[in-house]
Amino acid sequence: EVQLVESGGDLVQPGRSLRLSCATSGFTFDDYAMHWVRQTPGKGLEWVSGISWNSAKIGYAASVKGRFTISRDNAKNSLYLQMNSLRVEDTALYYCAKDIFSSVWTGIDYWGQGSLVTVSS
Amino acid sequence: QSALTQPASVSGSPGESITISCTGSSSDIESYNYVSWYQHHPGKAPKLMIYDVTNRPSGVSNRFSGSKAGNTAALTISGLQAEDEADYYCSSYEGSSSLVFGTGTKVTVL
Repeated sequence: EVQLVESGGDLVQPGRSLRLSCATSGFTFDDYAMHWVRQTPGKGLEWVSGISWNSAKIGYAASVKGRFTISRDNAKNSLYLQMNSLRVEDTALYYCAKDIFSSVWTGIDYWGQGSLVTVSS
Repeated sequence: QSALTQPASVSGSPGESITISCTGSSSDIESYNYVSWYQHHPGKAPKLMIYDVTNRPSGVSNRFSGSKAGNTAALTISGLQAEDEADYYCSSYEGSSSLVFGTGTKVTVL
């Protein structure tokens, strides 16, 4: 059974940093691209960042580029999102998600349950 | 990286067919056959319903089908059931290692 378990979400002040982690199991982690997707309260889904199986290909949404960094550790079957200079508008439920393919963003076939990040003073 | 445009809501009676549109541009939907559709019930993780424009993952009912013409993709739900009531999102690869989601559509079964 594929499992994606996020952790690290918290209440933080604007301008501070936070690191999300995603522990995975049930599939060959280094065969697939991975993503972070967020949902703001009462709003829709927003793609945040994606990383290919070997970390050679990385992409970010314009809204987080330069502030967020995605990474993965294939030896630990884990995905990470380092979030710096957090803003109130980054408040959201952050999902860890698995792509169908290894190096092209084709679609997401498995999602975690989400980790809540709240940015507020 | 503008969100793909979907109607805010679509409704239908049980047994009917409904279609949700997803409009993008020449930079995303029109250029790539990497359009996906997701069903999202509040409080649950989204579920993949269609990928690569027309493909259904194993376990997804054949009542769900996808299509694309130009810069617009569509999800059709036939034989509408009460359990289909949810939010639906499209997504498309838009090159440069970027993915974009649609604005979301609330499906109501009357």
